[in-house]
Amino acid sequence: DQQVKQNSPSLSVQEGRISILNCDYTNSMFDYFLWYKKYPAEGPTFLISISSIKDKNEDGRFTVFLNKSAKHLSLHIVPSQPGDSAVYFCAASENFGNEKLTFGTGTRLTIIP
Amino acid sequence: DADVTQTPRNRITKTGKRIMLECSQTKGHDRMYWYRQDPGLGLRLIYYSFDVKDINKGEISDGYSVSRQAQAKFSLSLESAIPNQTALYFCATSDPTSGGALTGELFFGEGSRLTVL
Repeated sequence: DQQVKQNSPSLSVQEGRISILNCDYTNSMFDYFLWYKKYPAEGPTFLISISSIKDKNEDGRFTVFLNKSAKHLSLHIVPSQPGDSAVYFCAASENFGNEKLTFGTGTRLTIIP
Repeated sequence: DADVTQTPRNRITKTGKRIMLECSQTKGHDRMYWYRQDPGLGLRLIYYSFDVKDINKGEISDGYSVSRQAQAKFSLSLESAIPNQTALYFCATSDPTSGGALTGELFFGEGSRLTVL
């Protein structure tokens, strides 16, 4: 039972345009959400997070939006750059500060120069 | 040097063999984790440890065991490896006292690719 779903295995975006990665979850107990980025032959690295008390968190070119009623979050990258080409995982936990994360299946983002 | 180091980085073994994957960290974190990544399934939690005396099963612990030898070391063992344990394994650490927006962040090693023939 996949509690965190990323329904798009891959996404291609032109350099300079906006990349939108989506994530859906089913567990209403999830309270804290994170996005991780993974390059080949490297471990995932933390990108941005959001707690359920917010609906938006922004960090430079990266913005995460949370729609709790729809159990949906999205990551916006604008403008997209070639170095953003990677696999992106969304993850969720039931408590703020509980690092036992449930991960989605990942979306491979390719930025076309 | 990496803050979270996994050895070996790549290993090919045969069915029935015992395999140990090791993880050491210099971040000073109490909490350590083992995840596996499979194509189409994302990362799934195998075991986690919130301190040296605390070991907990994760989502997919069957067929695995762990040992927390010290704050800095957390090893994963496959007592009798089977082909469906072929995967990319990640060790991670975290610090719940880091506070702010980083609370909940995991710091991952570079991964250990295991192939069981």
